[in-house]
Amino acid sequence: NAGVTQTPKFRILKIGQSMTLQCTQDMNHNYMYWYRQDPGMGLKLIYYSVGAGITDKGEVPNGYNVSRSTTEDFPLRLELAAPSQTSVYFCASSPDRAGTEAFFGQGTRLTVV
Amino acid sequence: SQKIEQNSEALNIQEGKTATLTCNYTNYSPAYLQWYRQDPGRGPVFLLLIRENEKEKRKERLKVTFDTTLKQSLFHITASQPADSATYLCALGPSGGGADGLTFGKGTHLIIQP
Repeated sequence: NAGVTQTPKFRILKIGQSMTLQCTQDMNHNYMYWYRQDPGMGLKLIYYSVGAGITDKGEVPNGYNVSRSTTEDFPLRLELAAPSQTSVYFCASSPDRAGTEAFFGQGTRLTVV
Repeated sequence: SQKIEQNSEALNIQEGKTATLTCNYTNYSPAYLQWYRQDPGRGPVFLLLIRENEKEKRKERLKVTFDTTLKQSLFHITASQPADSATYLCALGPSGGGADGLTFGKGTHLIIQP
């Protein structure tokens, strides 16, 4: 049972480059989320999705884009990478909104130089 | 604006004692509150959920309380073990009509010393 899988685990980007962080879940969950975690800080919500074809902004969406074409996949796109986007990114999923647990991936550690 | 406070400094507890972690929040009325454990280099792992109409929840050696008047949750680990050493995150669910997704505290780093 894979759960939530993120790729890559590590990546170094140069300023101005772009990349896509992949996230897939095999639990048939409707809700999916992208968070970033900076050292000594709490996780901040970037974008979320309540089902295929539906996405919405979280607390810190600037510089990112998402899509949700299938229930399983929720990729996060970084355009024109900036040093401020250096962080650890976590994808998560949950069955619904009503207080069920969230399942997290292992994270992607991104460094922008 | 919403604010969540956890003991951000390390909490050192002797093995066998009860560890108590605190989560305080302001300007918020969450429908529920969750606790997660995070080990270095790993994603958070769900531990317990407590809803706004519940006072206490237990799971094995874990206990969570939720006081919506004080705007505080306490997380207890009884008979603590070195394997319980990790960072523990408090997370608040959306208030009625609020955006989806959890709002996390910075976490408390718990160290259980043998």
